[in-house]
Amino acid sequence: DGGITQSPKYLFRKEGQNVTLSCEQNLNHDAMYWYRQDPGQGLRLIYYSQIVNDFQKGDIAEGYSVSREKKESFPLTVTSAQKNPTAFYLCASSISGGDTGELFFGEGSRLTVL
Amino acid sequence: KNEVEQSPQNLTAQEGEFITINCSYSVGISALHWLQQHPGGGIVSLFMLSSGKKKHGRLIATINIQEKHSSLHITASHPRDSAVYICAAVGGATNKLIFGTGTLLAVQP
Repeated sequence: DGGITQSPKYLFRKEGQNVTLSCEQNLNHDAMYWYRQDPGQGLRLIYYSQIVNDFQKGDIAEGYSVSREKKESFPLTVTSAQKNPTAFYLCASSISGGDTGELFFGEGSRLTVL
Repeated sequence: KNEVEQSPQNLTAQEGEFITINCSYSVGISALHWLQQHPGGGIVSLFMLSSGKKKHGRLIATINIQEKHSSLHITASHPRDSAVYICAAVGGATNKLIFGTGTLLAVQP
């Protein structure tokens, strides 16, 4: 079955550590996105990529980094520079950019900084 | 003020009731998504619409572009409909998704 797989589902990190969240899709989608969800707030865009080897900053990119070396994969690294990293992270994809196509989401990764 | 506002924030209904969740936006948009977030956190796309009305099973979504308003209706609600429902507008200055904060729906048996 086609879909998006995020891992790990739960992750604990000590302050000062970098962590990488995995996002893999087998939908042959060009566009991929990372969102952050905090209680009481709407999803906020961290980074997005509309094509392999290219990505753009979203609204809250500081303290995060991404890569898009393969069409299927869009990993997110939460660096030690991110001041408040505890959150729920969602990866999504769509067949093309422009946000007018159907969105497919992963199950999310919950990061807790100890 | 958020560019996308949802109401109500929380909604409790009895099984079988007709449910309406509202979404208003203040920017020009090209499309609007309705999403369902399950208690575990995963999100499923329900509808994407740019005009008129769409129906899928017991779910109906409508949009009025002139009034900048969209509604999600659930007929004959069931406890398995309990979830957070999120609207997301495609638009604004960046033509990117702008998410509402969600409506938490609890359907009691």
